[in-house]
Amino acid sequence: DSGVTQTPKHLITATGQRVTLRCSPRSGDLSVYWYQQSLDQGLQFLIQYYNGEERAKGNILERFSAQQFPDLHSELNLSSLELGDSALYFCASQGYRGYTFGSGTRLTVV
Amino acid sequence: AQSVTQPDIHITVSEGASLELRCNYSYGATPYLFWYVQSPGQGLQLLLKYFSGDTLVQGIKGFEAEFKRSQSSFNLRKPSVHWSDAAEYFCAVGPNSGGSNYKLTFGKGTLLTVNP
Repeated sequence: DSGVTQTPKHLITATGQRVTLRCSPRSGDLSVYWYQQSLDQGLQFLIQYYNGEERAKGNILERFSAQQFPDLHSELNLSSLELGDSALYFCASQGYRGYTFGSGTRLTVV
Repeated sequence: AQSVTQPDIHITVSEGASLELRCNYSYGATPYLFWYVQSPGQGLQLLLKYFSGDTLVQGIKGFEAEFKRSQSSFNLRKPSVHWSDAAEYFCAVGPNSGGSNYKLTFGKGTLLTVNP
């Protein structure tokens, strides 16, 4: 167990729908990073939050958004889903102990 | 912009044989370097990392990697591969600046198949 919890593990939804992925970082870690892993793009950085504030943005679509709450858990919201959004979504937690990935949420858009 | 190249998409080795997975990076300065392993349907597990100091880094599961600044490489090695090593391996770079902005840039991965 890495200490980083992602829910749900699997998600199947239809095109046009909206989903929310959740990430709870390791206790004490202030930073959360979101990554997308797809067959064609590989592993790509989406967005980072640090202590509730957006800190860095990567290749994140406008249909996607994220936030980090006061208890430091983070949610990644994906809307107007397309078939191409099917991927494995990872979050990573960073603190004084280093950088650790969760086990991911596999999103399938049908 | 930083980038990571893993030239080998797929490598097949026999169990007990030695292994070397290649990684080349492009970065403005000496980055932090990482190797991760991903088994099918699983998350990313850190094998080893290089921050500074000794350029030969030891990791878990008998893996090691060598940082060569002149070649911008960070190749992963294992002297004797086990069937359980079959997985996908990712090389990644991150900023060597400390602080709280630590996004990683990953290579496309190398899929390792181990023959009995």
